[in-house]
Amino acid sequence: GDSVTQMEGPVTLSEEAFLTINCTYTATGYPSLFWYVQYPGEGLQLLLKATKADDKGSNKGFEATYRKETTSFHLEKGSVQVSDSAVYFCALSDQAAGNKLTFGGGTRVLVKP
Amino acid sequence: GAVVSQHPSRVICKSGTSVKIECRSLDFQATTMFWYRQFPKQSLMLMATSNEGSKATYEQGVEKDKFLINHASLTLSTLTVTSAHPEDSSFYICSARALHTQETQYFGPGTRLLVL
Repeated sequence: GDSVTQMEGPVTLSEEAFLTINCTYTATGYPSLFWYVQYPGEGLQLLLKATKADDKGSNKGFEATYRKETTSFHLEKGSVQVSDSAVYFCALSDQAAGNKLTFGGGTRVLVKP
Repeated sequence: GAVVSQHPSRVICKSGTSVKIECRSLDFQATTMFWYRQFPKQSLMLMATSNEGSKATYEQGVEKDKFLINHASLTLSTLTVTSAHPEDSSFYICSARALHTQETQYFGPGTRLLVL
């Protein structure tokens, strides 16, 4: 079945540091890939997505590139802010599985001033 | 666009009572809605998929009679936790998918349920 693996947190960074959260996946079909962000006490917000190989999703300074050869979708941001402190979820949607979302375990990021 | 609301945002109830949670898509028609459960510091667990006008499809291990789902219109789905017990305390999150965005789900803000 489909699965998503992402690095465990927590990840603690200083403001303006570079952030990378690794995400790899396995899927039977050709999935779309997503990063969602969850701020404390809130639901999930779509951060960015990519629907085919080599696509780059970007939003709010975050980027992730769909790498089919390495089955990865790593999230990066060049200079984090305290407001980026949240839990980040990598997910895939596989048409072969009825477009259900499969989530990774989530990575908690804490940015200190 | 693509806003999903949930009501209530927080509910406390006594053991044995039933609680209804509403999920609404505010600016689009949601042909499919999903209900998730999230335990503290854990990922989301899909409970059921709800298609408008038809019965919900439950994931393995989720009790249909305990978690009643109704998707009566293209903008509203409800989850009723029947005879709630303390172990049902959790964060319940819904998401909605529009017909024209088959792979993208938009999430509600979640409902925190505490059963005493």
